[in-house]
Amino acid sequence: AQTVTQSQPEMSVQEAETVTLSCTYDTSESDYYLFWYKQPPSRQMILVIRQEAYKQQNATENRFSVNFQKAAKSFSLKISDSQLGDAAMYFCAYRDAGTYKYIFGTGTRLKVLA
Amino acid sequence: GAVVSQHPSWVICKSGTSVKIECRSLDFQATTMFWYRQFPKQSLMLMATSNEGSKATYEQGVEKDKFLINHASLTLSTLTVTSAHPEDSSFYICSARPIGGLNEKLFFGSGTQLSVL
Repeated sequence: AQTVTQSQPEMSVQEAETVTLSCTYDTSESDYYLFWYKQPPSRQMILVIRQEAYKQQNATENRFSVNFQKAAKSFSLKISDSQLGDAAMYFCAYRDAGTYKYIFGTGTRLKVLA
Repeated sequence: GAVVSQHPSWVICKSGTSVKIECRSLDFQATTMFWYRQFPKQSLMLMATSNEGSKATYEQGVEKDKFLINHASLTLSTLTVTSAHPEDSSFYICSARPIGGLNEKLFFGSGTQLSVL
């Protein structure tokens, strides 16, 4: 069975600095997708970034980028120029290409310090 | 675009009563909707997958007779918590997979906080 592990329950970053959130996963599939979702206090799940496993190039979305290491089954999220609005719970998620069942990690709470 | 409306956003009910939660895709049709449960400070756990016009598929350990799911149209899925008990208190989130061009993405509702007294 696939699993997603986020080993950092909580992280802090100074405003304008850079922070990296870690995520590892386990799967025997070769075709899958990985995601980072943000859940602010409103609890609305917001897609931050998505990575297709067949793409070697790391996905980027403005200040958000990932370091996807397929062989190591690692998928970290880097947030550059952190802003107060980035404070939230961040979930790493996995799904097989053939299904839409998402498996979420346990989350990392990010605090942004002014 | 691609908005999922979930209603109600919070509900308090007495033990033994039933509660219905609606998940509606406002500007797209969804072949599949998913229902998740989230305990405080924990992750989202998939409860069931709802396909329009067919029976829902429940994850292991989820009581299908307790959590009734109906996906009667391509824009509406409902979750009914029957004979609710305090241990059913939780945050419930739905998500929807669009038909067509956006179908690689999943869109989430804003969630429903259920408190059973």
